[in-house]
Amino acid sequence: QLQLQESGPGLVKPSETLSLTCSVSGGSFSSSDYYCGWVRQPPGKGLEWVGHIFYSRSTYYNPSLKSRATISLDQSRTQVSLTLTSVTAADTAVYYCARISLTETVDYFDSWGQGSLVTVTS
Amino acid sequence: DIQMTQSPSSLSASLGDRVTISCRASQSISNYLNWYQQKPGTAPKLLIFAASSLEGGVPSRFSGSGSGTDFTLTISSLQPEDFAIYFCQQSYSTPLTFGPGTKVDVK
Repeated sequence: QLQLQESGPGLVKPSETLSLTCSVSGGSFSSSDYYCGWVRQPPGKGLEWVGHIFYSRSTYYNPSLKSRATISLDQSRTQVSLTLTSVTAADTAVYYCARISLTETVDYFDSWGQGSLVTVTS
Repeated sequence: DIQMTQSPSSLSASLGDRVTISCRASQSISNYLNWYQQKPGTAPKLLIFAASSLEGGVPSRFSGSGSGTDFTLTISSLQPEDFAIYFCQQSYSTPLTFGPGTKVDVK
């Protein structure tokens, strides 16, 4: 069974770069049936899609992030990285790595990591 | 961007109650609508995909309906483990967007 695990620094200074890694076990993102996505959730607030990456390394990002986000997939397709530049306090959130299953009807987030809290503070 | 709204934002219910949560999209999204349940300190969990298809392992008391712009999540008989926040999400187009959530708590 696929498991996703986020890792990275819990504290980032304003204007610096946030970097997170999602490690995949029990599978990989080498299939055209899935994307690997990032979703974030500020404390006490709702969910925001950050972006996702396909096995071919095509990427899709939320325009609200104004090109600050980059998602990449390693050679083995078992690690997905997220970097977010020029962070501010508004980027403080729990960041989730999640698998998006692609079907003939609809795409959906069907497997999630436990989440990684990143706080932007000086 | 497609905006998702939910109503109510919160509700109080008793065990055994039938609970209905509404989700509305700002434009037609056909059946490209998913529902998630989130409990405190945990990741969201997929309940329903394609508006009405039950994810494997999800109890049959959960059901979804709707198409176009208006959708509904129904819990037929509320159980203790159902107290949580419920989010809808559209996958019709990017940016993927979520509703603001509906919190279901104990009456």
